[in-house]
Amino acid sequence: GQSLEQPSEVTAVEGAIVQINCTYQTSGFYGLSWYQQHDGGAPTFLSYNGLDGLEETGRFSSFLSRSDSYGYLLLQELQMKDSASYFCAVRDQGGFKTIFGAGTRLFVKA
Amino acid sequence: GAGVSQSPSNKVTEKGKDVELRCDPISGHTALYWYRQSLGQGLEFLIYFQGNSAPDKSGLPSDRFSAERTGGSVSTLTIQRTQQEDSAVYLCASSLTTASAKNIQYFGAGTRLSVL
Repeated sequence: GQSLEQPSEVTAVEGAIVQINCTYQTSGFYGLSWYQQHDGGAPTFLSYNGLDGLEETGRFSSFLSRSDSYGYLLLQELQMKDSASYFCAVRDQGGFKTIFGAGTRLFVKA
Repeated sequence: GAGVSQSPSNKVTEKGKDVELRCDPISGHTALYWYRQSLGQGLEFLIYFQGNSAPDKSGLPSDRFSAERTGGSVSTLTIQRTQQEDSAVYLCASSLTTASAKNIQYFGAGTRLSVL
């Protein structure tokens, strides 16, 4: 089976940097994805890591270490609009079934 | 359409009634997914369709839940004899499956189901 663990909540101040961790247990591995969801909104894709290392997309970066079954999402220069839930997700082996973590709720304070 | 469309946006029903939720994926997307999200919780996988292959129904919580996808496009999720624990937001997503493992999923706004 597959399971993903991430912290339930993180609080940070505007302008700061925050890291959201995700550890996973999978029978196979096709990369780690991150999605953002604002309250009442639809999840939207943020980033994907198929190989070890850092992927950067503007203020957001994502890191993967396959040997440690671990990844993180890094948000820089935090803005109030970054207050949202962030989900890590992995694909099931051999198909497109996707398992999501329970989500990390980020609160950005002024 | 430009994005994934779900209808209705809200559905209130009485316990024991059947409901149908509809999803229109992005044109050309070969994969379609259904998820359930309870208040403040993560996304629970229900089922996915990929092209003409048999759907992966491994996430359906009981035989009261079923889904079909007609003509490789529109999908309907049916919940029979609804129970109060079925109350949740039901999200649909679609993706353009390619040789790439990235498989970005595009989500609809969801249907909020309330079972009284």
